[in-house]
This record gives sequence, C-alpha cells and structure tokens, in this order.
Amino acid sequence: GENVEQHPSTLSVQEGDSAVIKCTYSDSASNYFPWYKQELGKRPQLIIDIRSNVGEKKDQRIAVTLNKTAKHFSLHITETQPEDSAVYFCAASPTGGGNKLTFGTGTQLKVEL
Amino acid sequence: EPEVTQTPSHQVTQMGQEVILRCVPISNHLYFYWYRQILGQKVEFLVSFYNNEISEKSEIFDDQFSVERPDGSNFTLKIRSTKLEDSAMYFCASRTDRSRQFFGPGTRLTVL
Repeated sequence: GENVEQHPSTLSVQEGDSAVIKCTYSDSASNYFPWYKQELGKRPQLIIDIRSNVGEKKDQRIAVTLNKTAKHFSLHITETQPEDSAVYFCAASPTGGGNKLTFGTGTQLKVEL
Repeated sequence: EPEVTQTPSHQVTQMGQEVILRCVPISNHLYFYWYRQILGQKVEFLVSFYNNEISEKSEIFDDQFSVERPDGSNFTLKIRSTKLEDSAMYFCASRTDRSRQFFGPGTRLTVL
C-alpha cells in the first residue's frame, strides 16, 4: 500500500520567513495530494491540493509543488504569520476505488514573533 | 458554508462496551469516510463508504467495527466491544465526486 513520509517533524521560523515542508510517497498510482492544517484539538482543514497533471499550484501565501517522477511534493508558506502555527499533514490518494487518504506523520510549525 | 458534523464530541466508555459514533456528512456528498487519530499521531484511514456499501477498509477495521447509513443524512461508526487501544479521535469525512475530502470536528473516544 501507499506510504507517505513527511519532513521535518518540527519547524520553527521567524514571522515573515518562509516555511517548506516536504513529503514523499511510494505508490505511483497516487495522483491527488492534499495538505491539511490541524490546530490543537480541531479538525484537519484542507488548505490546498494538487492533482498529478499539474506541477505547481499557488493560493496567496501558500503553494504546493509536485514532482511525479521523484514522487515528492512540497508545501511552501511565504510571509509566515503567528496564525500559521499548527500541525500540517500531507496526504496522497489514488483516484478510483475508495479514494482513501494516506497521511504523512505531520509537521509541527511554530511561527515565532 | 456547509460542514460535516459529528456527535458526540466526547464519549467515555468502559472496555467491552459498544459505542456508536455519529456523523452528518455534507448534504450533496456521495462518499463517506471514517479516520482515526491517536493522540499526537497521524490520521489513519479506517473505512470508505459509497452507494450504501463499504468500498475499502483498512486492517484496523476488523470485525469489531461496522458502518451504516441508516437514513439519508446520518453515517455511523459502531465499535462492538471497545478496547483500550480504541481510544482516539475519530473523524468522519465526506466528498463529492471530486477528490476533496472535508472533515468533521471529531469525536474523542476514551475507553477506560
């Protein structure tokens, strides 16, 4: 089955700096890659996603890049703000069947003032 | 904006007891999921459900677990005989025919 690795497990940046979180996946059948933000005790919230026919997608301060050949994808947050502090999870999913999400192990992002 | 809802927010039960966790998916969504998250760990897939049947389940989803869509709005997860290791946050999610899954707020299950 699919295995998603995520790095780093913790990331501390100064406010205004950029943050990059990286994930790799193992199953070449995966073609949908969402990113979720989870604040303490809250639900995972979808912040951006990318499908395999696209190499990059941007939404304001957040961008995701995908390299299908290397089976890795990354989340980029620019101009970080304290409210960006949370745990970020990457995930991968194939189309077809149940479309289950296989999650990475999460990155605790802390944006310091 | 419509959201997935779940009840209860917190359930405490004794080991060996049955629990039912309830979810109301977003109304026009067709695919439903249960995931669980043990404290401090990643979110793990349990089961997916479409067209009134299970489409995929994980090895966690053994005979103690079952799902049901008893009416047009609710989606339930039943754990027949709870174990200590079932203690976790259980999230329901739903999606349309596109891939985006939206999660409910979760039910924290504590098994004593």
